[in-house]
Amino acid sequence: DSGVTQTPKHLITATGQRVTLRCSPRSGDLSVYWYQQSLDQGLQFLIQYYNGEERAKGNILERFSAQQFPDLHSELNLSSLELGDSALYFCASSVAVGEGWNGYTFGSGTRLTVV
Amino acid sequence: DQQVKQNSPSLSVQEGRISILNCDYTNSMFDYFLWYKKYPAEGPTFLISISSIKDKNEDGRFTVFLNKSAKHLSLHIVPSQPGDSAVYFCAAKRAGGGADGLTFGKGTHLIIQP
Repeated sequence: DSGVTQTPKHLITATGQRVTLRCSPRSGDLSVYWYQQSLDQGLQFLIQYYNGEERAKGNILERFSAQQFPDLHSELNLSSLELGDSALYFCASSVAVGEGWNGYTFGSGTRLTVV
Repeated sequence: DQQVKQNSPSLSVQEGRISILNCDYTNSMFDYFLWYKKYPAEGPTFLISISSIKDKNEDGRFTVFLNKSAKHLSLHIVPSQPGDSAVYFCAAKRAGGGADGLTFGKGTHLIIQP
């Protein structure tokens, strides 16, 4: 158990629908990151939140949005889903960058299948 | 535009031998590099990292080498063990402070043959 909790583990939904993925970061971590891993693709950075505020944006579609709540958990909302949105979605958390930084701690991911 | 490239999708190595995984990058602003290991149905886990001010970092069986002039880093695993079979991702962080998103390569699937 990495300490980063993602729910649900699996999600199957139809095109055009909307889903919400949830992430609870490791205790003490203020930053939450969302990544997408499609077939044969690396991990694509979507968005980062730090202590409730959006900090950095990557290749996130306009149909996707996220937020981080006061208790630091985060939700990724995916709407108007398309077949190509089928992927593994990972959440990661970290404390801060510094000497000997160990990067992120990843959750086990949510596998989204759009049919 | 792939700023972090892992050109070998897969690599097969005999148990006990050395595994060498390679990674190239294009962005000169990267100042920190990391390797992650991923088993099926699990999230990536941190393996080893190196700052751009160093050229080598060692942790047990794992050593990462950084060649800044060539914009190249490599991960050496010696000796390779069956449990090392996994997908390995190279990742890089841009300079500038803060915890910005890491840029990942597409991964190399390492297979350790008994």
